[in-house]
Amino acid sequence: GNSVTQMEGPVTLSEEAFLTINCTYTATGYPSLFWYVQYPGEGLQLLLKATKADDKGSNKGFEATYRKETTSFHLEKGSVQVSDSAVYFCARTNAGGTSYGKLTFGQGTILTVHP
Amino acid sequence: GAGVSQSPSNKVTEKGKDVELRCDPISGHTALYWYRQSLGQGLEFLIYFQGNSAPDKSGLPSDRFSAERTGGSVSTLTIQRTQQEDSAVYLCASSSLAGGGEQFFGPGTRLTVL
Repeated sequence: GNSVTQMEGPVTLSEEAFLTINCTYTATGYPSLFWYVQYPGEGLQLLLKATKADDKGSNKGFEATYRKETTSFHLEKGSVQVSDSAVYFCARTNAGGTSYGKLTFGQGTILTVHP
Repeated sequence: GAGVSQSPSNKVTEKGKDVELRCDPISGHTALYWYRQSLGQGLEFLIYFQGNSAPDKSGLPSDRFSAERTGGSVSTLTIQRTQQEDSAVYLCASSSLAGGGEQFFGPGTRLTVL
């Protein structure tokens, strides 16, 4: 089937630490891949995306590379801040090359960054 | 407004009652999605409307759930004979093909079934 698996949290880091949140997917075909973020008390918002293999999505210092050979889309940030504390969701659509279509989400990873 | 809006923001109901949740998508967005966020199940797709095409209802958990989209704009998600396991945050999103399909989410409706 088509699913998304991301590392379980919660993840607790000190400010300026390096962050990795793993995400792998199963798919028939070539999906588009996304990271969404939900800050405390706020709605879900798109953080970054990649719509084809080897694309790198980046935003706010976060990066993720679409790895077809390992079916992965791991989220990384070199130096986290307290303001990055949030819940992060990896997601996919069925349609490559576009962001269109229903999203399948991973279970979410809670990140807490301490000063 | 500039974003997706949903109403009510909170809804408390008694088991067995019917509820209606409303979504106002971003003007001009042809696609509208409903998702559900609950502790046990995470974020789940429910239903997807795209223009005048038949909706994709493959995520609806039971026949107590239905949704309609009138005039290609506002959508209403109806849950009949609510059960406690229906308690969740119901999220609506909209997107446009012209915008690359990125989905913009509303703030959600928190439904509590007592």
